[in-house]
Amino acid sequence: DAGITQSPRYKITETGRQVTLMCHQTWSHSYMFWYRQDLGHGLRLIYYSAAADITDKGEVPDGYVVSRSKTENFPLTLESATRSQTSVYFCATSTSGRGEQFFGPGTRLTVL
Amino acid sequence: QKEVEQDPGPLSVPEGAIVSLNCTYSNSAFQYFMWYRQYSRKGPELLMYTYSSGNKEDGRFTAQVDKSSKYISLFIRDSQPSDSATYLCAMSSDYGQNFVFGPGTRLSVLP
Repeated sequence: DAGITQSPRYKITETGRQVTLMCHQTWSHSYMFWYRQDLGHGLRLIYYSAAADITDKGEVPDGYVVSRSKTENFPLTLESATRSQTSVYFCATSTSGRGEQFFGPGTRLTVL
Repeated sequence: QKEVEQDPGPLSVPEGAIVSLNCTYSNSAFQYFMWYRQYSRKGPELLMYTYSSGNKEDGRFTAQVDKSSKYISLFIRDSQPSDSATYLCAMSSDYGQNFVFGPGTRLSVLP
């Protein structure tokens, strides 16, 4: 039972490049979330999705794009990476969107 | 005022001690309260989940919610070195996707 997988686990890119982080779940949970985790800020919500083809902004959406064509996948794209987007990115799922969430292992992204 | 406040620590205790971790919050609409444990370079792992006020116990862990004081606690009994991690509180409401995390408390349990 894989649960939630994220790929790549580590990524180094350059300013201005497009980067896509992948998230895949095997549980068929309706809700999926993207967070970034930075020292001094904790976990901050970037985008979330209540179901396939339904997405909405979180606290820090600028510079990010998401899509959800299938229930099990929720990719996060940085259209033109900036150094301020250097962070650890976590994907999470939830059955209801209100209570408990289950997190993936994270992607550590460095933008040079 | 931040929506969720949590002492960042670090908190160091000897093995076997009782640990108390706390969060305060400002939004009275929060109804769902969670505690997550995060080991270094890993994703957060759900420890406890409570709806509304009251206590919940699971093994060495007890979660308490006091909605009148807007205060939640996690107690760890007989703490072990393997409990050394960052503990995040989280909460959400019935309305929309208002899901908020505290900044986390770093705990070290010394053998």
